[in-house]
Amino acid sequence: NAGVMQNPRHLVRRRGQEARLRCSPMKGHSHVYWYRQLPEEGLKFMVYLQKENIIDESGMPKERFSAEFPKEGPSILRIQQVVRGDSAAYFCASSPGGRGPYNEQFFGPGTRLTVL
Amino acid sequence: AQSVTQPDIHITVSEGASLELRCNYSYGATPYLFWYVQSPGQGLQLLLKYFSGDTLVQGIKGFEAEFKRSQSSFNLRKPSVHWSDAAEYFCAVGDPGGYNKLIFGAGTRLAVHP
Repeated sequence: NAGVMQNPRHLVRRRGQEARLRCSPMKGHSHVYWYRQLPEEGLKFMVYLQKENIIDESGMPKERFSAEFPKEGPSILRIQQVVRGDSAAYFCASSPGGRGPYNEQFFGPGTRLTVL
Repeated sequence: AQSVTQPDIHITVSEGASLELRCNYSYGATPYLFWYVQSPGQGLQLLLKYFSGDTLVQGIKGFEAEFKRSQSSFNLRKPSVHWSDAAEYFCAVGDPGGYNKLIFGAGTRLAVHP
């Protein structure tokens, strides 16, 4: 059973370009979380999605950032018009779902975004 | 608002020595508590978790943690550290009212001297 997959592992963009980060959850998981880790900091929650629905986007910046989790295919975190401050590691986690304590989140290896 | 504090940014121990990493949380009810380890350039691996019951929990790689409600703490311990334990350690609170999103501390970077 493959774990959470993220690609690309490393992404370099110039200021003003778009960045697309992909996350394929573990088999059987229908819930995805995105977290951002700035240099020398802990992970910060960004958004929580179920298939075709955004459930909680309280951690997403109001502009330039969007996320989706379509019925088919991976979850996508999209950053438009990237700026240097977007340079960070972006981690995806998946879980079977629900609010119970046993819906453990399994983390992917992350995408490290560098904005030049 | 929920928060997690890891007071020690860097800790250095000698191989074979004991280890305790501190974690304090702020949460209105009994939280779900986690410790994760992150090796350089890697993702996060779950070491252990606490939801309820016995306040001393055992995890992988010989780690354990103790939940102390009176101190709002969930410290991670290991009796004898190995060089391969050098990594960054994150304490996290799960917000059951918030769809289980995790709130992380800033992390403690552990260095192990031979």
